[in-house]
Amino acid sequence: NAGVTQTPKFRILKIGQSMTLQCAQDMNHNYMYWYRQDPGMGLKLIYYSVGAGITDKGEVPNGYNVSRSTTEDFPLRLELAAPSQTSVYFCASNGGDAGNNEQFFGPGTRLTVL
Amino acid sequence: AQKVTQAQTEISVVEKEDVTLDCVYETRDTTYYLFWYKQPPSGELVFLIRRNSFDEQNEISGRYSWNFQKSTSSFNFTITASQVVDSAVYFCALSEETSGSRLTFGEGTQLTVNP
Repeated sequence: NAGVTQTPKFRILKIGQSMTLQCAQDMNHNYMYWYRQDPGMGLKLIYYSVGAGITDKGEVPNGYNVSRSTTEDFPLRLELAAPSQTSVYFCASNGGDAGNNEQFFGPGTRLTVL
Repeated sequence: AQKVTQAQTEISVVEKEDVTLDCVYETRDTTYYLFWYKQPPSGELVFLIRRNSFDEQNEISGRYSWNFQKSTSSFNFTITASQVVDSAVYFCALSEETSGSRLTFGEGTQLTVNP
């Protein structure tokens, strides 16, 4: 199993540009998450999904959109990049609907908006 | 609302010292889950432990041990005989049963172990 994969690893955007961060998992997990980690800070939840076709906002959803058309993929879309979105983005997944399950994290995407 | 506080922003120790990382949490749920993750300089997140609210037994895994005390809402992490490879940021996280598997993270503690 590849686990949770994210592309790209690094990206530099100009203000106002848009991009999609890709996330895929091959563990047949229903639950998937997007977090952002600002420098020197903990992770904050952006969006999550409990299954294909179902998404919901987390703590910091403004400026982002998601979709979940398949169990495997959970892309994160930035429409109008702003410097405040400079961060490291982590995608995660887990298989259960109880908090007892460990979340598996991808390697992260480091995004800089200039 | 759930909250996790890691009051120690940075800790610096000399190799072979013991070190304890503090974690205090807030929740209204009676069923919840606590986690510790390690983030080495390479940036990935490494799962260390999960504990549910009904299991207050302390746990030891090699040089790592965890002390869970519901009375003080704390879930502290101790590294015995620290090593340089333990240098990392350590995150404590909480998940409430009513919020599914969503994690709330603390701000993290940067541990530096000097030779």
